[in-house]
Amino acid sequence: AQTVTQSQPEMSVQEAETVTLSCTYDTSESDYYLFWYKQPPSRQMILVIRQEAYKQQNATENRFSVNFQKAAKSFSLKISDSQLGDAAMYFCAYRSPSPYGNKLVFGAGTILRVKS
Amino acid sequence: EAGVTQFPSHSVIEKGQTVTLRCDPISGHDNLYWYRRVMGKEIKFLLHFVKESKQDESGMPNNRFLAERTGGTYSTLKVQPAELEDSGVYFCASSPPGLAGYEQYFGPGTRLTVT
Repeated sequence: AQTVTQSQPEMSVQEAETVTLSCTYDTSESDYYLFWYKQPPSRQMILVIRQEAYKQQNATENRFSVNFQKAAKSFSLKISDSQLGDAAMYFCAYRSPSPYGNKLVFGAGTILRVKS
Repeated sequence: EAGVTQFPSHSVIEKGQTVTLRCDPISGHDNLYWYRRVMGKEIKFLLHFVKESKQDESGMPNNRFLAERTGGTYSTLKVQPAELEDSGVYFCASSPPGLAGYEQYFGPGTRLTVT
C-alpha cells in the first residue's frame, strides 16, 4: 500500500519570502500522480498543483512549483513571494493511475502561517 | 458551475444515534468519493462510486457505515449507530469520468461530533 509522509506539522514564512513544504511517499508503482492540495481556514480544499510521475519536468503554477525527485520518492512544494492568502493547511496526496478514477492517499498535512 | 456541496455542515449527535450525511457532486461527474479526517490525522479514503456502483469500498471502517448513490447523482453516508470514534470531518469529492478525472473537487466537509 502507498503511504505519504509530511514531516512538517507547521511552517511559518514572512510575507514575500519563499517557503518549501516537504513530502515523501512510498510506492512500488512506476506510474502515478502526485498532488498538493490547499485548505484555507473554514474553506474547501482546492488543488494547487499536480505532477505526473512519467514527466521529468517539475510542474509549475504561477508562484507554486514542485521539486519532484522520483528516485528519492520526494515531492516538495515551493511557494515563492508568499502572500497572506497562502496561509492554509497543505496536503500532499498520491494517486495510482486508473481510467476509472482512483482514491487519493493523503499525508497528515502542514499548516502554513504567513507573517506580515 | 456549482461546486460539490455537502449537508449538513455540522452535526452533533449522541452515541448510538443515527446520522445521514449528504453529498451533491458536480453535475456530470461520474466519480464520487468519500473521505474522513479524524482528530487532526490524515485524510482517509472511505469509498468510491462510479455512477451508482461502488468501485472501491475498501476504506469503510465497519458495517455501521452505509453509503448509497441514488441514480448516480447525489450520495448519502449513513452512520448507524454512531460511536465516539466516528467524530471527524467527512469530505466528499467528485471528478469527471475517464482519464479526465485527474483532479478531485472537494466539498466543504461535514463536521460530525459524537458525544
